[in-house]
Amino acid sequence: DSGVTQTPKHLITATGQRVTLRCSPRSGDLSVYWYQQSLDQGLQFLIQYYNGEERAKGNILERFSAQQFPDLHSELNLSSLELGDSALYFCASSAQRDGSYEQYFGPGTRLTVT
Amino acid sequence: QQQVKQSPQSLIVQKGGISIINCAYENTAFDYFPWYQQFPGKGPALLIAIRPDVSEKKEGRFTISFNKSAKQFSLHIMDSQPGDSATYFCAASKRQTGANNLFFGTGTRLTVIP
Repeated sequence: DSGVTQTPKHLITATGQRVTLRCSPRSGDLSVYWYQQSLDQGLQFLIQYYNGEERAKGNILERFSAQQFPDLHSELNLSSLELGDSALYFCASSAQRDGSYEQYFGPGTRLTVT
Repeated sequence: QQQVKQSPQSLIVQKGGISIINCAYENTAFDYFPWYQQFPGKGPALLIAIRPDVSEKKEGRFTISFNKSAKQFSLHIMDSQPGDSATYFCAASKRQTGANNLFFGTGTRLTVIP
């Protein structure tokens, strides 16, 4: 168990809908990352937050957005969903202090868009 | 553009044998190279990581070899066991506070035959 929690575990929704994925980082970790894993694209970085501020963006679609709250949990919002958005979405966290940059992944949310 | 290239795509090894997975990177600014192990339906789990100031790091049956001049690194699994059957991902990033997202290889599916 990495200490990173994600909810829900599974999500099935229709095209055009909006969903919110939630992530709680390991206790004390300041940085949260979101990654997408699909069969054809592999593990792709979406976005990173550090202590509430956005720090890096990857290939994140404009239909997707995220935020990190004062208690350091994070939410990934996916809107106007398309069939191609079906994937595993992982959250990872990292302490990012005292030389500790290891990223620990949560169990993921499997999103199925029908 | 794939920043980290990984091979082979799949690997079959007899129990007790040595499994070797190779990765290559382009960006010389990368200074942190972790390996992740992923079982079906689970999130990637950090296995072992290396920094470019050492050429080898060993943890139990797992060893990372690093060749800075060739921009290559590899994972060796000694005495491979059926329980090691999983998908392995190499990754690379910069160790810095803030933007330090991981760039992943495409993964190697390892099967260890009893």
